[in-house]
Amino acid sequence: VIWVTQSPSLLSASTGDRVTISCRMSQDINNYLAWYQQKPGKAPELLIYAASTLQSGVPSRFSGSGSGTDFTLTISFLQSEDFATYYCQHYYNFPHTFGQGTQLEIK
Amino acid sequence: QVPLVESGGGVVQPGRSLRLSCAASGFIFSHYGMQWVRQAPGKGLEWVAVISNDGSTKYYADSVKGRFTVSRDNSRNTVFLEMNSLRAEDTAVYYCVKEGNRGDYNSYFDYWGQGTLVTVSS
Repeated sequence: VIWVTQSPSLLSASTGDRVTISCRMSQDINNYLAWYQQKPGKAPELLIYAASTLQSGVPSRFSGSGSGTDFTLTISFLQSEDFATYYCQHYYNFPHTFGQGTQLEIK
Repeated sequence: QVPLVESGGGVVQPGRSLRLSCAASGFIFSHYGMQWVRQAPGKGLEWVAVISNDGSTKYYADSVKGRFTVSRDNSRNTVFLEMNSLRAEDTAVYYCVKEGNRGDYNSYFDYWGQGTLVTVSS
């Protein structure tokens, strides 16, 4: 089992800020990493896959980086609709473990 | 758009069974693996099970292995999750998800259903 450590669990920021969320894997997963956004009462939505590839329709203020064991999601110039919970997930092997989630709240 | 519509959730007593269904449209169903993910109330996401595009390969989370069975009917564009010996800790919203890479069940999830709530309680 590959363990996923996501940080921080809670992030307070203001519109216009730049924020980063990190995920660390317990072993090398190459770039088999995805990021999802979930708003209250809704299903998660794919933001980024293969660590840095933006899903179609996702705004370019979202970006992903990293390879191996350490990965980052960056949101530049936060918009009001970005306040949500974010999850990373590896898909290198089974189980496809998710991170614990980062709740991004308005400061 | 890729609608995935789950059904079959509800309230069930501990030890009983429930069968979830997920009807898919908008893509060639038989080309893609399908998976199930759950989310307990107020908690994070937990991967549950996967079935390959042809149904020949299946994997399960340790927490459900031996109790849950995933299957699919490609003629009906539907994937199922049969849940037996249900426990209180199985209470969650269950999401049906589509894999992003054709024929590769080691893939990210590009579309999610709206979820169906399963409550295990006496």
